[in-house]
Order: sequence, then structure tokens, then C-alpha cells
Amino acid sequence: EIVLAQSPATLSLSPGERATLSCRASQSVGSSLAWYQQKPDQAPRLLIYDASNRAIGIPARFSGSGSGTDFTLTISSLQPEDFAIYYCQQRSVWPPSLTFGGGTKVEI
Amino acid sequence: QVQLVESGGGVAKPGGSLTLSCAASGFPFGDYYMSWVRQTPGKGLELISFISGSSATIFYADSVKGRFTISRVNAKNSIYLQMNNLRAEDTAVYHCARGEEWDLRWFDPWGQGTLVIVSS
Repeated sequence: EIVLAQSPATLSLSPGERATLSCRASQSVGSSLAWYQQKPDQAPRLLIYDASNRAIGIPARFSGSGSGTDFTLTISSLQPEDFAIYYCQQRSVWPPSLTFGGGTKVEI
Repeated sequence: QVQLVESGGGVAKPGGSLTLSCAASGFPFGDYYMSWVRQTPGKGLELISFISGSSATIFYADSVKGRFTISRVNAKNSIYLQMNNLRAEDTAVYHCARGEEWDLRWFDPWGQGTLVIVSS
């Protein structure tokens, strides 16, 4: 099973600052990586798929990059509504696997 | 708009059973892979089962294989999760989530979730 390690566990920032979140896979997943945002008492929301494609309705301040084993989610200028937990998720064809990272909490 | 609404959660005893339902709306349901993802504070997010639009492809995580059964009724725009022989470690919020039309590479959208508590 491919393991995703997210860092840092918690990121303490202020509105307007840039957030850089990391997701590292235990083996290559190509570009099959997605990012989700989850706010308290809400369902996760898809932000990025295929490592760098924004989902419908996601603001341009969210961007994803990376391939292979190292991926980054960047929030260019944090808005108050962006304080949440962010998860990465991979889907590997071989070995067949779909797993989530443990999450990064972005807090004020 | 695309919407998923889960129901059927509650409290069950170890060894007991529950059936979860997920009602979908706002998209051609029968074309899409659908899944159940559970979430716990300790283990995080875990894909436990998915089913293709035609029900031809079904997956179970090892943690639930042989105990849980996923199904769908496209005429009712619904999927189900029959959970038998429940264990304490099955306690979680269970989310229904949509995959893609021909594959399951990511989940969009997710339902709010239904809480399952397994306790004596």
C-alpha cells in the first residue's frame, strides 16, 4: 500500500500569507494525486485533481504542483475561509491502491 | 446541483448490523462510480468500498471484506452499504462520495456523512 505523508501537521499563518503544504508518497504515483479541503462539520471538498488541475469553482489562489513522489498545495494569499484541514489522496494503478494522507491543519 | 445525502447511521452492538443509504441527485447517476469513505479521528480517511455504474466492478478494503456489502439501484439514484458483524473499530463517520464516469481516481462531491457507533 502506498503511504502518503503530509507535512507539516499544523501550519499557523495569518490572513494574506502564503501557505505551502507538502504531500510525499512512499512510491511514485505519477500525477494521480488530489487535494481536499475540510472545514469543521463539513464534508471534504475537492480542490485539485491530477496534481495540478483546479476543480470546478475553486479559486485561483489554490494551486497544486509536483509529480512522482513529491507534491505541493499552495494557497497564494490566505483568506479567512481557507483555515481548514487539507488532505492529499493518491490513486495508483499498480500496485492498485487508493489512500489518503493524514492531513495538514491550517490555523490562524 | 449535485447532491449526496446519507442516512441510516446510528448505534449498533458489536456483532450487529446496519444498512447505510446514499441518495444522489443532480447528475446522471447510473454513469458514475460511487463509493463509501469512512473517517475517524484516529485513522483519518479510508476508502472502504466502491461500485461502478453498472455494478460490474466492486471493491472492498481488507478491513471490511466479507462483512460489508455495497449495492446500488440506479432507478432510485441510490447506493447502499450493508454492514454485518460490526466491530468497535467500525465506529466512524461514513461518507458517500462520487467518483468519475469510467473510473475512480478522486471524489467529487462528498456527502455530509452519517455517524456509526459500535458499542456494547
